[in-house]
Amino acid sequence: AIRMTQSPSSLSASTGDRVTISCRASQGFNNYLAWYQQKPGKAPRLLISAASTLQSGVPSRFSGSGSGTDFTLTISPLQSEDFATYYCQQYYSYPLTFGGGTKVEIK
Amino acid sequence: EVELVESGGGLVQPGESLRLSCAASGFTFSTYWMSWVRQAPGKGLEWVANIKQDGSEKNYVDSVKGRFTISRDNAKNSLSLQMNGLRVEDSALYYCARDLDLWGQGTLVTVSS
Repeated sequence: AIRMTQSPSSLSASTGDRVTISCRASQGFNNYLAWYQQKPGKAPRLLISAASTLQSGVPSRFSGSGSGTDFTLTISPLQSEDFATYYCQQYYSYPLTFGGGTKVEIK
Repeated sequence: EVELVESGGGLVQPGESLRLSCAASGFTFSTYWMSWVRQAPGKGLEWVANIKQDGSEKNYVDSVKGRFTISRDNAKNSLSLQMNGLRVEDSALYYCARDLDLWGQGTLVTVSS
């Protein structure tokens, strides 16, 4: 199974900041990577697929990049509604696997 | 409205069975892969299983192989997960998801003696 490692596991930031979340895969693949946002008590929401394709309705302050084994989610500028936990997920091979999550908290 | 609604969760003892259901509406169910994803309390997301549009292909995470069975009924726009031999570590909120781009609100499964 491909192991997905996110860093950091948590971070504190202020509104207006630029936030970068890293996701590293244990083996490389092209761009079969998605990013999700999850708020407490809510289902995950798909933000980005194919490593960099923003889903309809997702604000343009979210962006994704990377290929191979290293991927990045950037939020800039951070807004109050963006405080949440973010997960990466590979869909290159089975079993589909998620990163452990990055909790973005208010500084 | 495009929606997924899960049901069937509950409290069971180890070794018992449970069947989860997911009712889909607002989209052409038969044209999408469907998945089950779970989340233990306070933990991250774990993909459990998925099924192809016509049911001809099913995939599972190793920890549930041989115990869980995913199925679908395209005529009824429904997805199911039959869970046998439940273990304490299967306790989680189970989400139904359409191609992982649309998620339900989940149904809670608790396995405890």
